[in-house]
Amino acid sequence: DIQMTQSPSSLSASVGDRVTITCRASQGISNYLAWYQQKPGKVPKPLIYAASSLQSGVPSRFSGSGSGTDFTLTISSLQPEDVATYYCQKYNSVPLTFGGGTKVEIK
Amino acid sequence: EVQLVESGGGLVQPGGSLTLSCAASGFTFSNYAMSWVRQAPGKGLEWVSTFSGSGTSTYYADSVQGRFTVSRDNSKNTLFLQMNSLRAEDSAVYYCARERSHAPTDAFEIWGQGTMVTVSS
Repeated sequence: DIQMTQSPSSLSASVGDRVTITCRASQGISNYLAWYQQKPGKVPKPLIYAASSLQSGVPSRFSGSGSGTDFTLTISSLQPEDVATYYCQKYNSVPLTFGGGTKVEIK
Repeated sequence: EVQLVESGGGLVQPGGSLTLSCAASGFTFSNYAMSWVRQAPGKGLEWVSTFSGSGTSTYYADSVQGRFTVSRDNSKNTLFLQMNSLRAEDSAVYYCARERSHAPTDAFEIWGQGTMVTVSS
C-alpha cells in the first residue's frame, strides 16, 4: 500500500506568515490528492481536491500544488482562524490513506 | 441543504456488534460513493470503508476486513456499517462522508458530525 507522510508534524507561526505543509506519497499518485482542515473538536473540512483545486467557499489564501509523489499546502497569510490540524489524503486507489496530520498553531 | 447524520454509536463490549447508520439528505444519494472514516481519540483520520455510487462495489481497510460490512439503501438514502467482533482499537468517532462523484475513489466533499463508538468491558 502507498504511504502518505506529512511534514512537519507541527508548526508554530505568526499571524501573516506564509505557511507550507508538505505531503509525500511513497509511490506516484498523479494529482489524486486532497487536503482537509480539522479544527479542535470539529468535523474535518475539505479544502482542496485534485492537488490544487479549491473547494467551494475556501479562502483564497489556501493553495495546493504538486503531482506524482510530492505535494504542498500553502497558507499565504496565516490567520488566527487557521489554527487546526491539516491532513492530506490520496484517492487514486483504495486504501484511501490519510497522512498523519500537521498541527498549526499561532506563535 | 446537503446533510449527513450518523447514528448508532455507543458503548459495546469487546467481541460485540454494532450497526451505524448515516442518513443523507439534500442530494441524489444514489449518484455518489459513500464512505466511513474513523478517528480514535487524539489520533488522526483513518479510512474504513467505501460503497461505490454505481453498482455494488465495496472496499475495506485491512484493519476491518472480514469484521465490518458496509451497505446502503438508496430508497431510504441511508448508508450502514455493520461492525462485528469489535476490539478496543475500534474505539473512535466514526464519520460518514460523501465523495465528490460516484467513483469509488474520490475526495470527500461532505462529512457528517460523527458518532462515537467505545469498545470496553
